[in-house]
Amino acid sequence: GAVVSQHPSRVICKSGTSVKIECRSLDFQATTMFWYRQFPKQSLMLMATSNEGSKATYEQGVEKDKFLINHASLTLSTLTVTSAHPEDSSFYICSALGTSGGGYEQYFGPGTRLTVT
Amino acid sequence: GESVGLHLPTLSVQEGDNSIINCAYSNSASDYFIWYKQESGKGPQFIIDIRSNMDKRQGQRVTVLLNKTVKHLSLQIAATQPGDSAVYFCAERYTGNQFYFGTGTSLTVIP
Repeated sequence: GAVVSQHPSRVICKSGTSVKIECRSLDFQATTMFWYRQFPKQSLMLMATSNEGSKATYEQGVEKDKFLINHASLTLSTLTVTSAHPEDSSFYICSALGTSGGGYEQYFGPGTRLTVT
Repeated sequence: GESVGLHLPTLSVQEGDNSIINCAYSNSASDYFIWYKQESGKGPQFIIDIRSNMDKRQGQRVTVLLNKTVKHLSLQIAATQPGDSAVYFCAERYTGNQFYFGTGTSLTVIP
């Protein structure tokens, strides 16, 4: 089946630094990937849609200069949290859109736990 | 079109009983819906899906019901097992393949 990986799985960084999270589709090509964030005991909130070779589309209220997304290839999208602050601490989850049964299915990565101290 | 960041409602059921988890979605134009299971510290896992031209779909031990009139989805789990304990989310697809997640329900199965 389609597998999506994320790296790192956990990261702790100091306030003011930047952190890059990678999302890879391991056995399929994904022209579209999505980035979500999830606070404890809350739902997944869509942050942005990442399209290979073009600029990401951000959801309302998500700062594009703070959350930089680069979808440089058909198997890799990266999310960089710039000048991280403690309120950015969250669980970041990516998904990749792959084909399934004549349609599309969203395959999720295992998530990255970011803690900003 | 955003998910609502409310604290999760909870549901406790006895092992072997049936579980019903409900979800209200927001966009009457959504054409595709998925139920996901999320275990602690992990990404969501696909359970079952349904298209808007259907009102019921069955899988192994799971059934999804769709009521478009009131924008309501339900997930029924038959003979609930301890391994079913997790948080369950419904997600609706808008145009452009974006998915928006519902609030979620935390299911606890009591042995």
